[in-house]
Amino acid sequence: QKEVEQDPGPLSVPEGAIVSLNCTYSNSAFQYFMWYRQYSRKGPELLMYTYSSGNKEDGRFTAQVDKSSKYISLFIRDSQPSDSATYLCAMYRQGAQKLVFGQGTRLTINP
Amino acid sequence: DAGVIQSPRHEVTEMGQEVTLRCKPISGHDYLFWYRQTMMRGLELLIYFNNNVPIDDSGMPEDRFSAKMPNASFSTLKIQPSEPRDSAVYFCASSFLYQPQHFGDGTRLSIL
Repeated sequence: QKEVEQDPGPLSVPEGAIVSLNCTYSNSAFQYFMWYRQYSRKGPELLMYTYSSGNKEDGRFTAQVDKSSKYISLFIRDSQPSDSATYLCAMYRQGAQKLVFGQGTRLTINP
Repeated sequence: DAGVIQSPRHEVTEMGQEVTLRCKPISGHDYLFWYRQTMMRGLELLIYFNNNVPIDDSGMPEDRFSAKMPNASFSTLKIQPSEPRDSAVYFCASSFLYQPQHFGDGTRLSIL
């Protein structure tokens, strides 16, 4: 079993919809959680960074961490065609520098 | 600010040739990471450095792969001899301690 599980999709939604992307993980030692966005032929770009449990909001994006359920989410409000990309969750534990990535979810926003 | 810079962006070479990928991390970052990305396996960490010293190379697939970081602003990943199964996108990333990693745009490697 992988340490981090993420549905690879693809996920296709109409413009303006609310998008929910999720990851589950098995290692309770993970404390730092990230979401990266990767456009085609580009490197992963940091979107959200959270420590421990709770919510963090940045514009149309909200990251949510539920450590009790070992579950993290990324919500995109008012989705735009420019949000079409692959979204990767990533996490690491205190004292470690090795990021563990999910497989990535390919998202398409249809105009 | 300049981000992580990788070169070349694309490399096509024949099986058996030596391949050298280059990376310039973000100035001041003390961690540097090399990853490989494929459709089948996703992002895989190959090796990472702290203050130019290799810390963990457990992800390096075979002895054909080697990485160096001669100074704080430059690192190389070398494959010798290259094989078709090495075809992938190779990313370099850098960071401060316990901070998110910042990625370059990768080198797309094709071994014929």
